[in-house]
Amino acid sequence: GAVVSQHPSWVICKSGTSVKIECRSLDFQATTMFWYRQFPKQSLMLMATSNEGSKATYEQGVEKDKFLINHASLTLSTLTVTSAHPEDSSFYICSARAPTLEQYFGPGTRLTVT
Amino acid sequence: KQEVTQIPAALSVPEGENLVLNCSFTDSAIYNLQWFRQDPGKGLTSLLLIQSSQREQTSGRLNASLDKSSGRSTLYIAASQPGDSATYLCAVKPDDKIIFGKGTRLHILP
Repeated sequence: GAVVSQHPSWVICKSGTSVKIECRSLDFQATTMFWYRQFPKQSLMLMATSNEGSKATYEQGVEKDKFLINHASLTLSTLTVTSAHPEDSSFYICSARAPTLEQYFGPGTRLTVT
Repeated sequence: KQEVTQIPAALSVPEGENLVLNCSFTDSAIYNLQWFRQDPGKGLTSLLLIQSSQREQTSGRLNASLDKSSGRSTLYIAASQPGDSATYLCAVKPDDKIIFGKGTRLHILP
C-alpha cells in the first residue's frame, strides 16, 4: 500500500523555540494532506488541511500563525510549531490523500516542549 | 456537527474470546467508515474500510459492519490474541475530512 513518512519521529525542544515536522508521501502524489493532533487518551483532532500550492485551511480554534503549514510540492507538507510552549506537547500525525481519494496516515511525531 | 462515540472506552478479555467493539455517529451522511488500530506511541494502521453503500467488510479474524441509517458500526474480533492488544479507532468521512472517535483500548489477557 501507499506509504507516508514523517520526520522526525520524536523531538524535544525548549519553550519559545520553533520546530518543523515533515510529512512525505513516498510513492504517490498528494495534492491534499491533513495534519492532526492527538493528546494522551484522546482522539485525533484535525488541525488543518494542506493544499499544494495554496494556503492551508485551518480548523476552528487552531492558530494559523502558530502552526505554519507549507505544502511546497506534491509529496511534501511541513508543519512548523512556532514559539512552542509545553501545552503544544502532543502527538502530531499527518495523512496524505492519494489520487484514489483514500487517505494514508504517517507514523506520527511526538513533540515534547520543555 | 458529526460526532463519533466509541463504547466501551476500555476492554480487557481473556485470550481466545470473541469480542465486539461499538461505534456510533450522529450524522448518517458519510462516504465511508473506517476502523484503525493504534499501538502505543505509534501511528494508525487501517484495518477495514466500509463504503457507505456496503454493509460489512471482513479481513481475517476481523469483521466490521455498518448500519448507516442507525448511525452504528461494530468491529468483531474472533479468537482474540495478545497481539490484538491496542487502541481501536473508528472514523467516519462525511466530506474531505475524517472524524475520529476516542477509541477503545483493548487488552487481551494471556
